[in-house]
Amino acid sequence: QTVVTQEPSFSVSPGGTVTLTCGLRSGSVSTAYYPSWYQQTPGQAPRTLIHNTNARSFGVPDRFSGSILGSKAALTITGAQADDESDYYCALYLSGGAPHWVFGGGTKLTVL
Amino acid sequence: QTLLQESGPGLVKPSETLSLTCSVFGYSITSGYHWGWIRQTPGKGLEWIGSNHQGRTSYYNPSLESRVTISVDTTKNQLSLRLTSVTAADTAVYYCARDYDDYAWVIWGQGTQVTVSS
Repeated sequence: QTVVTQEPSFSVSPGGTVTLTCGLRSGSVSTAYYPSWYQQTPGQAPRTLIHNTNARSFGVPDRFSGSILGSKAALTITGAQADDESDYYCALYLSGGAPHWVFGGGTKLTVL
Repeated sequence: QTLLQESGPGLVKPSETLSLTCSVFGYSITSGYHWGWIRQTPGKGLEWIGSNHQGRTSYYNPSLESRVTISVDTTKNQLSLRLTSVTAADTAVYYCARDYDDYAWVIWGQGTQVTVSS
């Protein structure tokens, strides 16, 4: 079973920069997994931030960026703001055999 | 603008079948994309349950495959989820969602809470 790993929690100062990562317990993440990133605040549905590794969804500020860093997908927030305090999830698309998606466990980001 | 709206019972008894419907507005399910069910258990993360591609083939999370059926009613433009033999572990917020050409879930319903309890 594929396991997607994320940091359970992270903190950043207002105005600071933070990079969250999305890895595989076994193997490396590449663009072939079409990594996507989602932001979720309590009681709300997830909001799509990044698709296909580094494409920002409509309306997403350019302080959010996606990339591959080494063996992981990464979400970088530059100039963090208070309302960036949320849970962040990544998802990978696996096309071997029947296509399916696996989400990471999420990272709780604190801005303080 | 494409809108998704989940509906169904908020309470299901253990060992029974959970049935949810996702009504799609503004886009025909058979015109393209994957249409999926994703759930979030209390205090935990997101889990892909399964999805249907363009009203044709359905794909399932291997960990749930023996209990899940996802189908499409093309006349009503609805996506349905059936999960059999539920337990408390199936208590969650259930979302329906649509993907984009690059396999990201870009449109989400508001979610519906389902509690499994006697």
